[in-house]
Amino acid sequence: GEDVEQSLFLSVREGDSSVINCTYTDSSSTYLYWYKQEPGAGLQLLTYIFSNMDMKQDQRLTVLLNKKDKHLSLRIADTQTGDSAIYFCAESRTGGGNKLTFGTGTQLKVEL
Amino acid sequence: NAGVTQTPKFQVLKTGQSMTLQCAQDMNHNSMYWYRQDPGMGLRLIYYSASEGTTDKGEVPNGYNVSRLNKREFSLRLESAAPSQTSVYFCASSEAGAVQPQHFGDGTRLSIL
Repeated sequence: GEDVEQSLFLSVREGDSSVINCTYTDSSSTYLYWYKQEPGAGLQLLTYIFSNMDMKQDQRLTVLLNKKDKHLSLRIADTQTGDSAIYFCAESRTGGGNKLTFGTGTQLKVEL
Repeated sequence: NAGVTQTPKFQVLKTGQSMTLQCAQDMNHNSMYWYRQDPGMGLRLIYYSASEGTTDKGEVPNGYNVSRLNKREFSLRLESAAPSQTSVYFCASSEAGAVQPQHFGDGTRLSIL
């Protein structure tokens, strides 16, 4: 299977933490990525994690990977209005070069 | 820094018309990609070019052709546009190999009536 699934919407209050979830089906995934898309713009790489890692932290961003359950999450601490965007998870696979399979995207809305 | 530049930004076509979407990158990247983005479906790969002189089909290549004109430029052509090709099209580029981030253009919003 080649599906990468995400919930479509998430709404949080400014200052709270956001957790965006992603599930994937292909066990040969080597790297998993989080991209951010702001309105009217292309995608921007936020962070990535190698499949043999459990966690990666980068400032306000924490990525958790449960390889057994094929579940990836992105936690954004102290969410700000500027974090409002669509967040995509993506995977690359062994032997696939740098081709990516993207999830459906999660629209994050940050309310005051 | 320009990065990845796509032209045009918007276009409206009639069914059956042809059109070429242009993409150029100034980062000396080997690999280039064309995606389409549709609501609730994420990004789907149409075609990619791992290096200058090579092109390969992605997930949804039907109805499209591509040309890797040189290392900088990768164009996407719709020979006979159909309403199902109404979408936002993104071009991206990267260094070759895994973990190289893909850099995206701002997209071309294409409507086919």
